Amino acid sequence: AQSVTQPDIHITVSEGASLELRCNYSYGATPYLFWYVQSPGQGLQLLLKYFSGDTLVQGIKGFEAEFKRSQSSFNLRKPSVHWSDAAEYFCAVEDAGNNRKLLWGLGTSLAVNP
Amino acid sequence: KAGVTQTPRYLIKTRGQQVTLSCSPISGHRSVSWYQQTPGQGLQFLFEYFSETQRNKGNFPGRFSGRQFSNSRSEMNVSTLELGDSALYLCASSLEGDYRTDTQYFGPGTRLTVL
Repeated sequence: AQSVTQPDIHITVSEGASLELRCNYSYGATPYLFWYVQSPGQGLQLLLKYFSGDTLVQGIKGFEAEFKRSQSSFNLRKPSVHWSDAAEYFCAVEDAGNNRKLLWGLGTSLAVNP
Repeated sequence: KAGVTQTPRYLIKTRGQQVTLSCSPISGHRSVSWYQQTPGQGLQFLFEYFSETQRNKGNFPGRFSGRQFSNSRSEMNVSTLELGDSALYLCASSLEGDYRTDTQYFGPGTRLTVL
């Protein structure tokens, strides 16, 4: 069965430091992968998505993610974290070719120290 | 352009009662999806409506139902509430509901507490 795993429940980084949030998926074919962010009191917002082509995907707010088929991973990165990046981050994968349904990871909570 | 709005934002009910949550999508969006978010289970897909028809359904009991009106506004109903129904219920809208081509926009959610 398909699944999405975010191994890190909680991460704390210092402002200005680099960030990498991990996402691993289990999927038979080429997956359609997404990263969303949920800030306190706000709705989920799409950061970026990967369908095909270049394995390094650029998103909003300075985020990028790299698809690595050999490692079944789609890790989210940011070179320099800002205090406003503190939020919950979710990785999601399209459900078995159903382009209208996503499976979600449990999320990684990011705290940013000043 | 106004975002996705959900009402009410907070709700407290007791076991056995029923509840109706409302979602107004972004103007022009015809697809509305509903999700249940809990700390232990994360985000779980409830159902998706498109042009007043349920097009996709998750693995939830029949106590959870929904509908969509001609103006694309959607409601979801939970009957015979259980303690485990306490969650944040999220609504999301998109143009056609195709994640490959659309962007899904989420509302702030309705926080339901069942006592």
